[in-house]
Amino acid sequence: EAGVAQSPRYKIIEKRQSVAFWCNPISGHATLYWYQQILGQGPKLLIQFQNNGVVDDSQLPKDRFSAERLKGVDSTLKIQPAKLEDSAVYLCASSSFSHEQFFGPGTRLTVL
Amino acid sequence: GDSVTQMEGPVTLSEEAFLTINCTYTATGYPSLFWYVQYPGEGLQLLLKATKADDKGSNKGFEATYRKETTSFHLEKGSVQVSDSAVYFCALSNSNYQLIWGAGTKLIIKP
Repeated sequence: EAGVAQSPRYKIIEKRQSVAFWCNPISGHATLYWYQQILGQGPKLLIQFQNNGVVDDSQLPKDRFSAERLKGVDSTLKIQPAKLEDSAVYLCASSSFSHEQFFGPGTRLTVL
Repeated sequence: GDSVTQMEGPVTLSEEAFLTINCTYTATGYPSLFWYVQYPGEGLQLLLKATKADDKGSNKGFEATYRKETTSFHLEKGSVQVSDSAVYFCALSNSNYQLIWGAGTKLIIKP
């Protein structure tokens, strides 16, 4: 079975620019997660979707970050405008009504 | 709230040495427990898991036992290889199907 797909793998932008990341979860997985992982730290949950509804976005900086999962399948995470401290790896994960999450390769964002 | 504490790294060992990475947790109820591994430049991979007390998860020579009485899930391997060099994360899954992560332990294996 195909794994979680993410694109792009790498992105370099200037501060105050906008950027978007895409994630396609494993087929049939209802729950989708976006994480931010800063170098040397564990992942931080940004948002959790169940199908196309938001379960938890309490740690999403909503003044600059947004995410959607319109058809309950793939998802987009956007940052607008980006700040230097947004430099991190953005990980997408999915699960199917279980406690085990499957992770994509991540997108490494560098904000200059 | 729920939390996970794991030993700080880096942990540096010689090839074929015995490995232990300590992990303890605080949680309400009986969470599922996981070890994930992250190789340099890659995403997170599930290494092993345990879903109830006294369960032993194992994979690729690594083992961890869910100890409810000590709220621990220590990772062990009898003989490490250079290829095991990575960052290891202990995590628990709460009732909302969210992973609560430890800070990660960097493992360096020298030939």
